[in-house]
Amino acid sequence: DIQVTQFPSSLSASVGDRVNITCRASQAISSYLNWYQQQPGKAPELLIYGASTLRNGIPSRFSGTKSGTTFTLTITSLQFEDFATYYCQQGYTSSLYTFGQGTRLDIK
Amino acid sequence: QVQLQESGPRLVKPSETLFLTCSVSDDSLRGYYWTWVRQSAGKGLEWIGRIYINGASNYNPSMKSRLTMSVDASKKEFSLTLTSVTAADSAVYYCARDREDSFGQLDYWGHGVLVSVSS
Repeated sequence: DIQVTQFPSSLSASVGDRVNITCRASQAISSYLNWYQQQPGKAPELLIYGASTLRNGIPSRFSGTKSGTTFTLTITSLQFEDFATYYCQQGYTSSLYTFGQGTRLDIK
Repeated sequence: QVQLQESGPRLVKPSETLFLTCSVSDDSLRGYYWTWVRQSAGKGLEWIGRIYINGASNYNPSMKSRLTMSVDASKKEFSLTLTSVTAADSAVYYCARDREDSFGQLDYWGHGVLVSVSS
């Protein structure tokens, strides 16, 4: 099974900051890595798919990059509504998708 | 804009069977895989499995022996059946559309239904 290790598990930042969240896959998954944002009590929302493609309607302060089996979600100029939990998900093995452990982003 | 809505019992007794249904807003059942994901209280997301319009399915090996999914295109819905439930199956259950034709992203989600397993 492909494991996806996400870190950090939690992060504190201020409005206007830039933050990075990382996921590392246990083996090569090409660009089959997706990012989600989950607000408390809500369903996850797709932000980025294919490692770096921003979903329509998602602000451009969100971006995704890939380097080998390491994937990074960057949020520049944090806004109040960005404080949430973020998950990565590998879609490479269609018989068993796996999610990262999640990163909780709090206001400092 | 695709809309999904989960429905089913909020309380199930241990050892009994959980049955959930996801209704899809339009005719988009065809051409996509449809997925179930769950989230235990305060925990992360767990992929349960998925089903295609022709009945082809993939299940999480950790639940495979207890799990069945089905789809009914005429009713625009798909379903999950989980047998022999325990307290560990208490969670919010989400249904979602799976873009297996792209990068496996889950692009539309239901609001989720909270299921508790308790006697």
